[in-house]
Amino acid sequence: DAGITQSPRYKITETGRQVTLMCHQTWSHSYMFWYRQDLGHGLRLIYYSAAADITDKGEVPDGYVVSRSKTENFPLTLESATRSQTSVYFCASSELGSGSSGELFFGEGSRLTVL
Amino acid sequence: GNSVTQMEGPVTLSEEAFLTINCTYTATGYPSLFWYVQYPGEGLQLLLKATKADDKGSNKGFEATYRKETTSFHLEKGSVQVSDSAVYFCALSLNTGNQFYFGTGTSLTVIP
Repeated sequence: DAGITQSPRYKITETGRQVTLMCHQTWSHSYMFWYRQDLGHGLRLIYYSAAADITDKGEVPDGYVVSRSKTENFPLTLESATRSQTSVYFCASSELGSGSSGELFFGEGSRLTVL
Repeated sequence: GNSVTQMEGPVTLSEEAFLTINCTYTATGYPSLFWYVQYPGEGLQLLLKATKADDKGSNKGFEATYRKETTSFHLEKGSVQVSDSAVYFCALSLNTGNQFYFGTGTSLTVIP
């Protein structure tokens, strides 16, 4: 099915473990984004990517690593999870640039709990 | 700089009441404006959008008009339903790079 999918939807891990959240989109959008959603903070941008092999930091990148070897995939890795990274993570994609409306398309979210 | 400010919630309304959620923005260019809705346990979905001044976005009975003179994009609905209970996010895009800016969200609960 066309769209943007995230996995896993729910994950419980322990402090210090490595966790990878997957994101896959079928539209061939150039841009992909990772946000975290926390009460009182709304959505905060972690990392984004303008194209394959091009990534850049957002507002809250510390403790996270991303890669984009293929246009359709944009995994987010927590190299050593901390309790402060307990959150709901949303992946999004967009086809930005002239001629587009700039709409973001979101995945359903990955709820991560770090014990 | 660029930013979005929306009214804080939570907002609780009775069914069939009139809804307004205020949103104002500051932007260095000519943004597109959006309202996204997040139902419980789900991701954000686009509710409506407007890409230039004086445009009116509408969907599912919701409306918002892009007002450049007041830098506003207030969300309205004439008669809310229980199924409208959700969190609503105002956002702007400058259509380049990573330049999306979200408000902090307004939680709406509609009671029968």
